[in-house]
Amino acid sequence: EAQVTQNPRYLITVTGKKLTVTCSQNMNHEYMSWYRQDPGLGLRQIYYSMNVEVTDKGDVPEGYKVSRKEKRNFPLILESPSPNQTSLYFCASSSGQGNTEAFFGQGTRLTVV
Amino acid sequence: QQPVQSPQAVILREGEDAVINCSSSKALYSVHWYRQKHGEAPVFLMILLKGGEQKGHEKISASFNEKKQQSSLYLTASQLSYSGTYFCGTRKANSGYALNFGKGTSLLVTP
Repeated sequence: EAQVTQNPRYLITVTGKKLTVTCSQNMNHEYMSWYRQDPGLGLRQIYYSMNVEVTDKGDVPEGYKVSRKEKRNFPLILESPSPNQTSLYFCASSSGQGNTEAFFGQGTRLTVV
Repeated sequence: QQPVQSPQAVILREGEDAVINCSSSKALYSVHWYRQKHGEAPVFLMILLKGGEQKGHEKISASFNEKKQQSSLYLTASQLSYSGTYFCGTRKANSGYALNFGKGTSLLVTP
């Protein structure tokens, strides 16, 4: 089954404790991206990647890092999480040049206390 | 950089029609529409490309006015299953692969 898998689904952590949210897709897609969703603000893009070793900042990259060492994986790293990073995070992937359907993961609800 | 969606929210009775609008201040290459149900991931509905090509849903239609940088999503004869939040995402011309989503339009269809 074609899917984007994020882990964990829920995470509560403390300020400053490094964490990684994993994202994996099984569709051989070149394009992957991370979004955060906050009430009233919609989906805001954090980072995206056009292929292995090619990443670029989205609209809200501060406080986040990504890497794309393999085509199927695109982890999101929070080196020193802060409470303002409490949010619902989605990973998405698509083929081609971004003008095809994007498949979203099920989301990771992160709470930083 | 986010596109602007209107209305913010709409309530319909089953069978009624609705239009959701999306506009951008920048020249657009494509417009993408997604629907998200509460607690779930966004699901693809449609893509409208510059030049008129459309890819997507059979029962939902949309338009893309390239000159005005606007798109509209038309939901006709709404069903209860249409309830959710609708997002438009826009790709600007010459922007690489960045896809910017609007804040969403909440749609509730009642019996």
